[in-house]
Amino acid sequence: IAGITQAPTSQILAAGRRMTLRCTQDMRHNAMYWYRQDLGLGLRLIHYSNTAGTTGKGEVPDGYSVSRANTDDFPLTLASAVPSQTSVYFCASSMTSQGGYIQYFGAGTRLSVL
Amino acid sequence: GESVGLHLPTLSVQEGDNSIINCAYSNSASDYFIWYKQESGKGPQFIIDIRSNMDKRQGQRVTVLLNKTVKHLSLQIAATQPGDSAVYFCPGSNDYKLSFGAGTTVTVRA
Repeated sequence: IAGITQAPTSQILAAGRRMTLRCTQDMRHNAMYWYRQDLGLGLRLIHYSNTAGTTGKGEVPDGYSVSRANTDDFPLTLASAVPSQTSVYFCASSMTSQGGYIQYFGAGTRLSVL
Repeated sequence: GESVGLHLPTLSVQEGDNSIINCAYSNSASDYFIWYKQESGKGPQFIIDIRSNMDKRQGQRVTVLLNKTVKHLSLQIAATQPGDSAVYFCPGSNDYKLSFGAGTTVTVRA
């Protein structure tokens, strides 16, 4: 079982470019999440999805969009990247339908916007 | 929502000693608490959780203690090993979403 797979593992991106970070899970979890982690700030929730077909905004959603066309995939798109979006991005999933808060995280995508 | 905070941003521990990481929370109605560990270059990993109807829960070399009277929880790691060096989080929980603070960085001294 792979769990959560994120791609790419790292990326250098020119400001103004569009970028999609991919996230796939094989655990059939209903909920998925995107976080960014910056030094000294912990993880901050960008967007989440409680079930396929629905999405919600987290703490820092501006400049990001997500979609949840099916259970397994939850891509994060930066429409026009800016240097302040330089960060490490983590995708996570959980089975909230069973009353659980436990989230399982991917290995992260390190993004640098120049 | 829940507000939680770790007491110390860093903790240095001698290998073989026990580690105690403390966390405070603000919402007395909170009924679920969870601990995560994040090793360098990796995503956070679930360690242990506890519900408010319990005072203590034990895992493999880890114990979580919950004191609802003072709204405090702690993570104890027995016989700390080099592999325990990591950042530890006690995120707040609300509506199945977690709020992570900066965490406590634990460094194990040889």
